[in-house]
Amino acid sequence: EVQLVESGGGLVQPGGSLRLSCAASGFTFTKYWMTWVRQAPGKGLEWVANINQDGSEENYVDSVRGRFTISRDNAKNSLYLQMNSLRADDAALYYCTIGSGWYEHWGQGTLVTVSS
Amino acid sequence: EIVLTQSPGTLSLSPGERATLSCRASQSVSSSYLAWYQQKPGQTPRVLIYGASSRATGVPDRFSGSGSGTDFTLTISRLEPEDFAVYYCQQYGSSPRTFGGGTKVEIK
Repeated sequence: EVQLVESGGGLVQPGGSLRLSCAASGFTFTKYWMTWVRQAPGKGLEWVANINQDGSEENYVDSVRGRFTISRDNAKNSLYLQMNSLRADDAALYYCTIGSGWYEHWGQGTLVTVSS
Repeated sequence: EIVLTQSPGTLSLSPGERATLSCRASQSVSSSYLAWYQQKPGQTPRVLIYGASSRATGVPDRFSGSGSGTDFTLTISRLEPEDFAVYYCQQYGSSPRTFGGGTKVEIK
């Protein structure tokens, strides 16, 4: 059974940093692109970033480029999102998903709150 | 970046009625790489359609997708009580991937 378990969310002040993790199991992690998608409270879905199988290619939405870094550790079957210079509009539930196209499997998300 | 505009924002219908949801792209979506998702309150999104018209595993055949280029449609032929939810389109033909703003299908 595919499982994606996000962690690392929490309350952070504007300008602060946070590192999200996603522990993956139930599939061959090294075969797939991985993606982060976020959803602000009461709002729609926003694609954030993805990374290819060996970590050599990354893509970002414009609003996070230069502040967020996606990475992966294939030995640990884990995906990460380093978030720096956080802003109020980064507050959201962050989901980890499999693939670079359409997304069949989603984690339950980890909540990031940005507030002073 | 391809901007996806979904309409209407809210659709008020009764069970048994037909729902037609629109997703319009700001530029052509490569190879009809468009997906549709359903999301209910407190739940993660569920993929319904990929490749504009292919139903995902386990999706009832009352859900159908159509379209190409810049205009796509999700049709629910006869609404069941469990279909009242928010629906999102998403393109994966170019980077960055993008989602539409969503259409809420509510009970009239």
